[in-house]
Amino acid sequence: EPEVTQTPSHQVTQMGQEVILRCVPISNHLYFYWYRQILGQKVEFLVSFYNNEISEKSEIFDDQFSVERPDGSNFTLKIRSTKLEDSAMYFCAARDRSISGGYTFGSGTRLTVV
Amino acid sequence: DAKTTQPNSMESNEEEPVHLPCNHSTISGTDYIHWYRQLPSQGPEYVIHGLTSNVNNRMASLAIAEDRKSSTLILHRATLRDAAVYYCILSLNQAGTALIFGKGTTLSVSS
Repeated sequence: EPEVTQTPSHQVTQMGQEVILRCVPISNHLYFYWYRQILGQKVEFLVSFYNNEISEKSEIFDDQFSVERPDGSNFTLKIRSTKLEDSAMYFCAARDRSISGGYTFGSGTRLTVV
Repeated sequence: DAKTTQPNSMESNEEEPVHLPCNHSTISGTDYIHWYRQLPSQGPEYVIHGLTSNVNNRMASLAIAEDRKSSTLILHRATLRDAAVYYCILSLNQAGTALIFGKGTTLSVSS
């Protein structure tokens, strides 16, 4: 089955550093999302992205976060100055224009801020 | 967002059917009922979705009450691999709409 690929699978960073999480969606998918899941908690929506613009964002997605699709394939989430509480699994998801199927999620990037 | 209520946990035996309930009494006419599951250490995985009629696919069946205030995800023969957190989510079935996850039901499967 087509996959959404996320890299790296695990990243450790020091507090205050910038991190970029990468996602390669399925080629015909047009709608992209980032979610995060703090250990032991529920999956939280961060942002949705379509046609090179943010469609929707949650309260979590503040000024320290940004998203872009720099080369038409990779979809990135940047955290400018990481905090300890940013430690979480970050999931990328994608969906195509067809509504017959569901959203495809990647396996996630585990971000650890120390 | 319309809310759903699911039991925190359920247990099942391998090769037996599993019925996972979901209540959504405030569902609107345009809300679809989506089910996703999350296996340990993995991202959420699409299971099934529907609007009014019961739906079947290779993974599961979705039974929707006539008044749409509740639904049931049916796994016909549970396997150990079905042990996961199952999420019932209401959402407009538009490609750009974000899914909002609740706490879900943790399903345990015993051999």
